[in-house]
Amino acid sequence: DAKTTQPPSMDCAEGRAANLPCNHSTISGNEYVYWYRQIHSQGPQYIIHGLKNNETNEMASLIITEDRKSSTLILPHATLRDTAVYYCIVRGSWGAQKLVFGQGTRLTINP
Amino acid sequence: DGGITQSPKYLFRKEGQNVTLSCEQNLNHDAMYWYRQDPGQGLRLIYYSQIVNDFQKGDIAEGYSVSREKKESFPLTVTSAQKNPTAFYLCASSLSTGGYGYTFGSGTRLTVV
Repeated sequence: DAKTTQPPSMDCAEGRAANLPCNHSTISGNEYVYWYRQIHSQGPQYIIHGLKNNETNEMASLIITEDRKSSTLILPHATLRDTAVYYCIVRGSWGAQKLVFGQGTRLTINP
Repeated sequence: DGGITQSPKYLFRKEGQNVTLSCEQNLNHDAMYWYRQDPGQGLRLIYYSQIVNDFQKGDIAEGYSVSREKKESFPLTVTSAQKNPTAFYLCASSLSTGGYGYTFGSGTRLTVV
C-alpha cells in the first residue's frame, strides 16, 4: 500500500472551510484514496473515498489532483464537532484489504 | 440498525491473565479486522480475516490470537505473552472487494494492572 504524508496539525475557524492536504506520490493506478476521522476515544469514522474523480457527499468533498499524487479533503463549513484526527489512506480495491493508518492530521476547530 | 459492536467498553485485567475481546457485526461484511491504538498514535493492524475460518497476521500479531468461526464474529484474545497489552482496541469490518470503506466499532479500552 502506498504511503501518505499529512501535516501533523491544523487549525481552522468555526464556519470556515477546512482544507486538509495529503500527499501520496507513490499511489498506483488501482489504489483508492480514503479519508477517515477519529474523534477522541471513539472508533474512526469513514468520510469519503475516491479513485481519480473529485467526490462530494454530505460530509465533505475530496479533490484529487490529475496526477493523483495528492488530494485535499474539504469540510465546507467546519463546526466544533469536526475537531478530530483526520487520516488519509490509500488502498487497492482487491487483494489485501487492510487499511494502513499513519499519524493523521489533528484538526482543531476554533470558535 | 446494522453495525459493529465491541464489548466491553472498558476492561481491567491482572498481569499474566488472558483476556478475550468481543466483536460482532450484522452488516453481512466478509472481512473483519483488529487494530490497536496507543495514546497519541495511529492504528496498528493486529489480525484480519477475509473469510470464515481464515485469518492473517497483521503488523503486530505477537501475543494475540483470533478465531473466525462465524461470519458475524471475530474475537481477539490478548494472551499473557503480549508484553504491553494496555491499549485501545478497535474492531472493523468491510466488504471484501470493490474498494469499500471500513465500519469501525466503538472500541475496548484494556488496562492491565
